[in-house]
Amino acid sequence: ETVLTQSPGTLSLSPGERATLSCRASQSVSSTFLAWYQQKPGQAPRLLIYGASSRATGIPDRFSGSASGTDFTLTISRLEPEDFAVYYCQQYGSSPLTFGGGTKVEIK
Amino acid sequence: DVQLLESGGGLVQPGGSLRLSCAASGFRFSSYAMGWVRQAPGKGLEWVSTISGSGDTTYYTDSVKGRFTISRDSSKNTLYLQMHSLRDEDTAVYYCAKGGRIAAAATDYWGQGTLVTVSS
Repeated sequence: ETVLTQSPGTLSLSPGERATLSCRASQSVSSTFLAWYQQKPGQAPRLLIYGASSRATGIPDRFSGSASGTDFTLTISRLEPEDFAVYYCQQYGSSPLTFGGGTKVEIK
Repeated sequence: DVQLLESGGGLVQPGGSLRLSCAASGFRFSSYAMGWVRQAPGKGLEWVSTISGSGDTTYYTDSVKGRFTISRDSSKNTLYLQMHSLRDEDTAVYYCAKGGRIAAAATDYWGQGTLVTVSS
């Protein structure tokens, strides 16, 4: 099973700041099969990024993803008020599909 | 527009059974893999099961193998999750998830979820 470790657990930032979220895989994960999701309280998750760096339909370009070996990064260039939420990475290339534990981006 | 509407959640005693349904619309149902993802109260996301578009291939997380069965009815555009021998740790919101044309795809649409509570 591929374990995904997200860091930090909580990120306290102000609107307009840059957010950098990390997701590290316990073994090789093809970039093709890494996604990022956003979840707000009481809502279903929303797909942001797939294939490590491709934005899903309707996702603003302030969201970007990158990969380096087993390390994956989600960057929000300038935080908008609606971006404060929990973010999860997921690998979907091998069964069992696995999610990271999440990073909460909160208002400082 | 793609819509996924779950139903069937509720309160069930440990050892009991429940069947979840997910009515899909807005896309060619039989062409896409579908799955279930759950979230225990206050916890993160956990993948449960995936079924291929044709329905002939299924995948399960280890903790539900032998207890849960995923299936689909393309004539009704509906996904199911039959759950038996339910345990306290199965308590969660269960989300219906639309995948891609292949099983290895991100979930691009989610339902709003249905709550399953296992408790005596």
